[in-house]
Amino acid sequence: QLQLQESGPGLVKPSETLSLTCTVSGGSISSSSYYWGWIRQPPGKGLEWIGSIYYSGSTYYNPSLKSRVTISVDTSKNQFSLKLSSVTAADTAVYYCARTPYYYDSSGYPAQDYFDYWGQGTLVTVSS
Amino acid sequence: QSVLTQPPSVSAAPGQKVTISCSGSSSNIGNNYVSWYQQLPGTAPKLLIYDNNKRPSGIPDRFSGSKSGTSATLGITGLQTGDEADYYCGTWDSSLSAYWVFGGGTKLTVL
Repeated sequence: QLQLQESGPGLVKPSETLSLTCTVSGGSISSSSYYWGWIRQPPGKGLEWIGSIYYSGSTYYNPSLKSRVTISVDTSKNQFSLKLSSVTAADTAVYYCARTPYYYDSSGYPAQDYFDYWGQGTLVTVSS
Repeated sequence: QSVLTQPPSVSAAPGQKVTISCSGSSSNIGNNYVSWYQQLPGTAPKLLIYDNNKRPSGIPDRFSGSKSGTSATLGITGLQTGDEADYYCGTWDSSLSAYWVFGGGTKLTVL
């Protein structure tokens, strides 16, 4: 059974960089069938996709966060990571990692299909 | 303001049927697959419907999905108190800046 587990600091100071890692067990992050994504949810609010990465390192980012986000992958450790720079209180949220199969859209580009396996989520609070 | 529009809340009595709508555009729902997620309080979202109308293993057939044009609908029949949760639609947006989008979420209350 595939499992994903987020880890990282639960408290980050304003203007600093938030760093989280997702460890995948029960399956290989190097599978050619999936992207691996980060999603967040501010307290009491809806889901927001942050970005996704393929095992080769190819990435897609949310345009509204792109300038501050870096997602990377370490296939040797079966992990992928999120860095979000210059954080503010608005970045306080539960952060989830998830697996996403993909297909090719009508233009022939990879399109993410759905999120089938999710981590339990980790709350990151931005506060001094 | 979400790219996909869902009603903030819906409600119905136990045993009844409810539908939740998700409205988008040609760059997202109109040309890509839609999925639906159920989020119970304090838990991670759970995949309910994928590829517009398919159910993952273990999801009862009380849950159904459909898509027409630039809108999608989640249907739940035989409502149970355990169905009370937040429901989100999601899809890929194939515009110039290709990205994933979620609806704003719908709170289902089972009266």
